[in-house]
Amino acid sequence: SQQGEEDPQALSIQEGENATMNCSYKTSINNLQWYRQNSGRGLVHLILIRSNEREKHSGRLRVTLDTSKKSSSLLITASRAADTASYFCATGKYGGATNKLIFGTGTLLAVQP
Amino acid sequence: DVKVTQSSRYLVKRTGEKVFLECVQDMDHENMFWYRQDPGLGLRLIYFSYDVKMKEKGDIPEGYSVSREKKERFSLILESASTNQTSMYLCASSPLNGNYGYTFGSGTRLTVV
Repeated sequence: SQQGEEDPQALSIQEGENATMNCSYKTSINNLQWYRQNSGRGLVHLILIRSNEREKHSGRLRVTLDTSKKSSSLLITASRAADTASYFCATGKYGGATNKLIFGTGTLLAVQP
Repeated sequence: DVKVTQSSRYLVKRTGEKVFLECVQDMDHENMFWYRQDPGLGLRLIYFSYDVKMKEKGDIPEGYSVSREKKERFSLILESASTNQTSMYLCASSPLNGNYGYTFGSGTRLTVV
């Protein structure tokens, strides 16, 4: 079952512009994570935000979390051509013996040089 | 550099064959996961394991089985490959503590003909 829904499905911007991707989810969570996937490769973990946090920064990445609206956003500032990739949100919830992640369907970001 | 290694990047198998996908991690992680990724459907969890010889079904376990005889190795088995199992298969691992991201392998693109 899909938990996260990313919006937009695809985004095309110019180098230097900011890119914003949104994620909505349906049930309570322990944390929310963002991943990047370059074409045909595995996913790379970018950032994790816990349910009691509202904002987190890592380099050019800024993530916000609004648990009342069950939504998150990922902002990439001053984008580069190398940021071209698919971006996925994943919601984490402890259940049973471990923490499983449920992934959304992703946003395809194209950064034009 | 920490790693999750999947044994094959590309694999072509015939319908009805038994297929083994291998995944090895060198981070001493307790959790290991198998996902499949299909266009428009995102990542879907097939099976996961939180300890040696322990396994739990994910969202789409039908037609698959797994084996975890050693902590570092998690194998996905397609008992009798079918064309609808043509997909990208992604292995991931994580510590038992749920506040860490997953580390993914590079993926195996399996084609069943």
